[in-house]
Amino acid sequence: KAGVTQTPRYLIKTRGQQVTLSCSPISGHRSVSWYQQTPGQGLQFLFEYFSETQRNKGNFPGRFSGRQFSNSRSEMNVSTLELGDSALYLCASSLVTGVNEQYFGPGTRLTVT
Amino acid sequence: GIQVEQSPPDLILQEGANSTLRCNFSDSVNNLQWFHQNPWGQLINLFYIPSGTKQNGRLSATTVATERYSLLYISSSQTTDSGVYFCAVERGGGFKTIFGAGTRLFVKA
Repeated sequence: KAGVTQTPRYLIKTRGQQVTLSCSPISGHRSVSWYQQTPGQGLQFLFEYFSETQRNKGNFPGRFSGRQFSNSRSEMNVSTLELGDSALYLCASSLVTGVNEQYFGPGTRLTVT
Repeated sequence: GIQVEQSPPDLILQEGANSTLRCNFSDSVNNLQWFHQNPWGQLINLFYIPSGTKQNGRLSATTVATERYSLLYISSSQTTDSGVYFCAVERGGGFKTIFGAGTRLFVKA
């Protein structure tokens, strides 16, 4: 069974631009969560989607948004990029929402210049 | 919210040595996972262990939920064990997953 895939793997953007990252979960998994990893803040939860609905949200500004499609694939969008948005963005999938094992994708490394 | 503390923050071992990594959490949890992050950033699942003990080859883990801690044991360490080890906890019921700051392990040949 294929694992979680994320595209693109690397991205360089300029301040003020916007970016869209994509995540395809493991087949059969319906929950997708997004995390931001930076050297200073570590791994921080962004949001979780299940059945096309946002179920939970972390403490990030409204510039960070996401959505989930009927096939469980998810996208996250960051608008008006700031230098501090440079990070590794990780996506995780699990069978259902709530308490269960998460499996992570390889991540998208975003650099904002 | 829940606080997750991992210790030690850094660990240097000689190949073949054993080690114990600890994860303390400040409130009851319904889920606890251990991950290994490789140098390319990939988080690899090690254990899903909300309670009890599990073993997988040279690795084993124990979670004592009533005392709010989990331990990850690495025996006969190898250079490929190098990387950062994270524990992550979840309370369920709509609460988000919280990661510890990680233990950075370097195994010398």
